[in-house]
Amino acid sequence: AQSVAQPEDQVNVAEGNPLTVKCTYSVSGNPYLFWYVQYPNRGLQFLLKYITGDNLVKGSYGFEAEFNKSQTSFHLKKPSALVSDSALYFCAVRGSNAGNMLTFGGGTRLMVKP
Amino acid sequence: DAMVIQNPRYQVTQFGKPVTLSCSQTLNHNVMYWYQQKSSQAPKLLFHYYDKDFNNEADTPDNFQSRRPNTSFCFLDIRSPGLGDAAMYLCATNAGGGGFSIFSEAFFGQGTRLTVV
Repeated sequence: AQSVAQPEDQVNVAEGNPLTVKCTYSVSGNPYLFWYVQYPNRGLQFLLKYITGDNLVKGSYGFEAEFNKSQTSFHLKKPSALVSDSALYFCAVRGSNAGNMLTFGGGTRLMVKP
Repeated sequence: DAMVIQNPRYQVTQFGKPVTLSCSQTLNHNVMYWYQQKSSQAPKLLFHYYDKDFNNEADTPDNFQSRRPNTSFCFLDIRSPGLGDAAMYLCATNAGGGGFSIFSEAFFGQGTRLTVV
């Protein structure tokens, strides 16, 4: 079985400061990792993914994520947070042995204060 | 341009009265998913289709059924909604075929928020 853990229910940062939202995973086979953002009463929007290659992945809206195989982590980062980044963030994983199964973490609410 | 469209955005139904939620896609993706999301929790997979091949999650209640009459459309039927079924229901699609689906990101609709009264 595959799983995703997002250890922080909420992350608070000041606007202009760097942000990190943590994610660790467990899969059978190679991991394919995704980050999504959700605004109130909306579906999930894709931010970025790691499939293979460079461990630092760049995505939408200035977000990036670093894949660390030894720590089984895929933390989401942004050098300078905006108030408009405030939303719910989900990490998801699909293992190479899991077919189409996409498993989500519990989500982390990011609050960026002016 | 919306690529995964869910209708309606908000649905109110009576306890025990069957309800159907709709999803359509313009992406021609092979894979379609239905997720249930409660109170900003992690989306929980109910079932998914790879083309016409239906895959039910083991813990999805029998009260939930799905139909996929063609590539573009997928329906979620709740036969007898209970108060505990009030949630946001998310439809998503994924490119498939040739083993590429595992690399591809899923595209989500805006969701249907179901209220049971």
